[in-house]
Amino acid sequence: GAVVSQHPSWVICKSGTSVKIECRSLDFQATTMFWYRQFPKQSLMLMATSNEGSKATYEQGVEKDKFLINHASLTLSTLTVTSAHPEDSSFYICSASELAGRTDTQYFGPGTRLTVL
Amino acid sequence: SQQGEEDPQALSIQEGENATMNCSYKTSINNLQWYRQNSGRGLVHLILIRSNEREKHSGRLRVTLDTSKKSSSLLITASRAADTASYFCAFYQGGSEKLVFGKGTKLTVNP
Repeated sequence: GAVVSQHPSWVICKSGTSVKIECRSLDFQATTMFWYRQFPKQSLMLMATSNEGSKATYEQGVEKDKFLINHASLTLSTLTVTSAHPEDSSFYICSASELAGRTDTQYFGPGTRLTVL
Repeated sequence: SQQGEEDPQALSIQEGENATMNCSYKTSINNLQWYRQNSGRGLVHLILIRSNEREKHSGRLRVTLDTSKKSSSLLITASRAADTASYFCAFYQGGSEKLVFGKGTKLTVNP
């Protein structure tokens, strides 16, 4: 089956620093990648949708200048949390879709736990 | 977005018992999916049921879909301690590629 990896699996950083999280599709080309955030004991909330070679589409309430998304290739998307603050501490999960427009196949990464001190 | 609603929020049962979780949604859907998430881990896709299907089985899992009531249920039969996890339903809103998740049911299976 299709595999999506994330790196790092966890990261601890100081307040004010920036953190980059990578999401890779290992055995398929991902036309579209999605970034989700999950707070403790809550569900996943979509942050943004990125298509290779174009700007990401952010969900309402998500600051695009704070959460920078780059989908530079068909196998890699990155999420950079800029000037991180303790309230950004969360579990970040990416997913990838192989074909644009399909609505039944998203493959999820294992997640990255971010802790901002 | 319109998040799905799941009930119960938490369920605790003994090994060997069956566990039933329900999901309700408000929009039209093409399909509905169920995922499992172990504590602090990523999502595992369990099963997908399409809007023209009423019931689907996969091993010990049984999923039903009632589009007239906009609801789905996930039944885990003969539960095991390893089934302890959070379970989420998810669906695409109105044909878009945005996957919306339910609030989840935390299942604890006691040995």
